[in-house]
Amino acid sequence: DAGVTQSPTHLIKTRGQQVTLRCSPKSGHDTVSWYQQALGQGPQFIFQYYEEEERQRGNFPDRFSGHQFPNYSSELNVNALLLGDSALYLCASKPRGSGNTIYFGEGSWLTVV
Amino acid sequence: AQSVTQLDSQVPVFEEAPVELRCNYSSSVSVYLFWYVQYPNQGLQLLLKYLSGSTLVKGINGFEAEFNKSQTSFHLRKPSVHISDTAEYFCAVTFSGNTGKLIFGQGTTLQVKP
Repeated sequence: DAGVTQSPTHLIKTRGQQVTLRCSPKSGHDTVSWYQQALGQGPQFIFQYYEEEERQRGNFPDRFSGHQFPNYSSELNVNALLLGDSALYLCASKPRGSGNTIYFGEGSWLTVV
Repeated sequence: AQSVTQLDSQVPVFEEAPVELRCNYSSSVSVYLFWYVQYPNQGLQLLLKYLSGSTLVKGINGFEAEFNKSQTSFHLRKPSVHISDTAEYFCAVTFSGNTGKLIFGQGTTLQVKP
């Protein structure tokens, strides 16, 4: 049973560029969330997708957007990258129905130079 | 507002000694509580969770935690640590009626010394 998978694992971008990160949830999971973890900090909730719609959003600017596809996979897009966007981006998925446990992927390390 | 506080940023301990990592939360509604571990350059791995029932929960790798509602705490314990337990530990909470969003503490670095 594959866990939560993310790609790419590492990438370097220049200020002002755009980036797309991808996530496939664990089998049987239909809700996907994205978190940003800056160096030395705990993860911060960006947003959550369920049934292809954004259901909740954390305190992140509109430069951060996402999408969920019919197969439950998801993308995180960040436009107009800033140096401060450098972080580990974690995708998490939650089971269908009443499951309350959230499982995380290995993350995508984004460095903005 | 809901929040999670991990009271120690770093906990140094010798191998085979017991350890406790402290976590307190603030919430006016029912909570679900989790501990995750993060090894260097990796994602988060679930150690254990409290959803309901017995307040003492056991997890992987010999860890356990106790939910104390009156003290709003969920401290993580292990009776005897190994070098391989060196990692970052995060306490997280989600709330009844809104289980899709986790709020994390700042993390505690457990440093196990030989």
